[in-house]
Amino acid sequence: KAGVTQTPRYLIKTRGQQVTLSCSPISGHRSVSWYQQTPGQGLQFLFEYFSETQRNKGNFPGRFSGRQFSNSRSEMNVSTLELGDSALYLCASSLGETGNTIYFGEGSWLTVV
Amino acid sequence: AQSVAQPEDQVNVAEGNPLTVKCTYSVSGNPYLFWYVQYPNRGLQFLLKYITGDNLVKGSYGFEAEFNKSQTSFHLKKPSALVSDSALYFCAVRDRPGGATNKLIFGTGTLLAVQP
Repeated sequence: KAGVTQTPRYLIKTRGQQVTLSCSPISGHRSVSWYQQTPGQGLQFLFEYFSETQRNKGNFPGRFSGRQFSNSRSEMNVSTLELGDSALYLCASSLGETGNTIYFGEGSWLTVV
Repeated sequence: AQSVAQPEDQVNVAEGNPLTVKCTYSVSGNPYLFWYVQYPNRGLQFLLKYITGDNLVKGSYGFEAEFNKSQTSFHLKKPSALVSDSALYFCAVRDRPGGATNKLIFGTGTLLAVQP
């Protein structure tokens, strides 16, 4: 069974640009969450989608957005990139019910220059 | 608010010795607790979770964790450490916003260094 797949794995963007990251959850999983990991702030929750609806949202500015498609695949978008957005972005998936195991992908490394 | 604390930034242990990585939690209601491991330049790998039931939870790669409600702790343990266990370990608790969610709140991580 394939794990959580994230693309691209590495990317470099310039300040002011926008970026879209993609996540394919484990087959059958309906919940997809996104996290940002930085050395200074650690692991911070961005948002969670369940059956195409945003179920929870973290404390990030509106430049960070996401969506989920009918096949449970998810994308997150960051507009007007800032240097501080450089981070590892992790996607996680689960069946969606409370207590289900949450599995993470390998992440997308974003560098903003 | 839900939170977890990992009081040690780094734990050093010799190969073959038992290891413990500490985690304490603060939650309202019953906690759902998780341990993950992260190797350099990789994502998070699930090790184990506590939802309910036995206080001793067994997980992947020989790891186990002991849930202690009175001490609000969920320490990760392994009887005999391997050099390959060297990695960053995260404790996490599921948030409880009043509805269904799989949002996790993570600790700051503990770097485990196993010396040969």
